[in-house]
Amino acid sequence: DAKTTQPPSMDCAEGRAANLPCNHSTISGNEYVYWYRQIHSQGPQYIIHGLKNNETNEMASLIITEDRKSSTLILPHATLRDTAVYYCIVRVINNDMRFGAGTRLTVKP
Amino acid sequence: DSGVTQTPKHLITATGQRVTLRCSPRSGDLSVYWYQQSLDQGLQFLIQYYNGEERAKGNILERFSAQQFPDLHSELNLSSLELGDSALYFCASSVRPSSLLQPYGYTFGSGTRLTVV
Repeated sequence: DAKTTQPPSMDCAEGRAANLPCNHSTISGNEYVYWYRQIHSQGPQYIIHGLKNNETNEMASLIITEDRKSSTLILPHATLRDTAVYYCIVRVINNDMRFGAGTRLTVKP
Repeated sequence: DSGVTQTPKHLITATGQRVTLRCSPRSGDLSVYWYQQSLDQGLQFLIQYYNGEERAKGNILERFSAQQFPDLHSELNLSSLELGDSALYFCASSVRPSSLLQPYGYTFGSGTRLTVV
């Protein structure tokens, strides 16, 4: 599976959009982009995934560039409860989910 | 509640001992995955089972073993415990096989916190 690069930490003001970038320049055509988050020491929580098209669900939006070499997870109105470590993972379906260091997002009042 | 049940939630044991962690996957999920998360490390993939068979191995020590039973619950056995084995152990489950139309992700349990003293 392709390697991903994320900034180690980011801050966001409460109520503003949080935009979390992920670089996956070596992604191949059959690899999906997944986002998970881990709040404190809880189990990681699935957020969203995509292949080529932008995706949106009740939690977030995923924007994938046309060349698929990078993506951005958008939390439209961040709350204090969104403070967590966010993981971007690229994987071929049926391969194992391998987590990197992720981005520690801190939402501030 | 994610639907993945892990027991016990907390476990304290002495060095050299053996423990068993249990995981019940979400209803309908055939695959179980085990992860270890230490304080100074991220989530490390240990091992995967699908419908009772081992499918993939990650950074799992020889002192550790796992199995998945016919009812699909899984157990992770940790033996000859060392202080460095203190960590959170997570179990996740998923529906397999995935397809291009349904590239399933994982559902994680709330973990077992193991403390070796």
